[in-house]
Amino acid sequence: DAGVIQSPRHEVTEMGQEVTLRCKPISGHDYLFWYRQTMMRGLELLIYFNNNVPIDDSGMPEDRFSAKMPNASFSTLKIQPSEPRDSAVYFCASSLTFGANEKLFFGSGTQLSVL
Amino acid sequence: QKEVEQNSGPLSVPEGAIASLNCTYSDRGSQSFFWYRQYSGKSPELIMFIYSNGDKEDGRFTAQLNKASQYVSLLIRDSQPSDSATYLCAVNVMRFGAGTRLTVKP
Repeated sequence: DAGVIQSPRHEVTEMGQEVTLRCKPISGHDYLFWYRQTMMRGLELLIYFNNNVPIDDSGMPEDRFSAKMPNASFSTLKIQPSEPRDSAVYFCASSLTFGANEKLFFGSGTQLSVL
Repeated sequence: QKEVEQNSGPLSVPEGAIASLNCTYSDRGSQSFFWYRQYSGKSPELIMFIYSNGDKEDGRFTAQLNKASQYVSLLIRDSQPSDSATYLCAVNVMRFGAGTRLTVKP
């Protein structure tokens, strides 16, 4: 398996523009997670899905952020409109289980810069 | 108080020494604990998980859990320069510490 695949690897955009980040989880993994990592706040869970259904979106910072998972092999995280403070590395991760010993497999991340 | 706290470091140890990384957490009901290693510019990768009090060993790595003290640690024996990375403590998948940067000097 190719692992968790994210695109794009880098995104540079201007304030106010819409940004869409994409993720393909490992086949067979029922759980998909979106994280954001910054120097100031570390790695933060934004939202996670189980079998394509959003379970907990309490980490989504505000209404400008939205995430979807239309099928088991694809998820998007959208920011509209983007702001400079959204600049961060966004990671997608997937896992087989959710419980005592779940193992997260992370994608390579998307480095987002909002100018 | 942050939910998962780690010393940010940097922690510097000589090659061959034992590196000790510490983590405390605030939610007493937490059940599972993880250590991830993250090389600069890369994504985190799981190296250990533990959910029972006591020690768990895997090669040069030992995770220690004390639920009464709400404390998790990671020991790296015979540290190698390739162990130089940031180590993230996680409680469940929901809460990550800010990470401790470890440097192993040859």
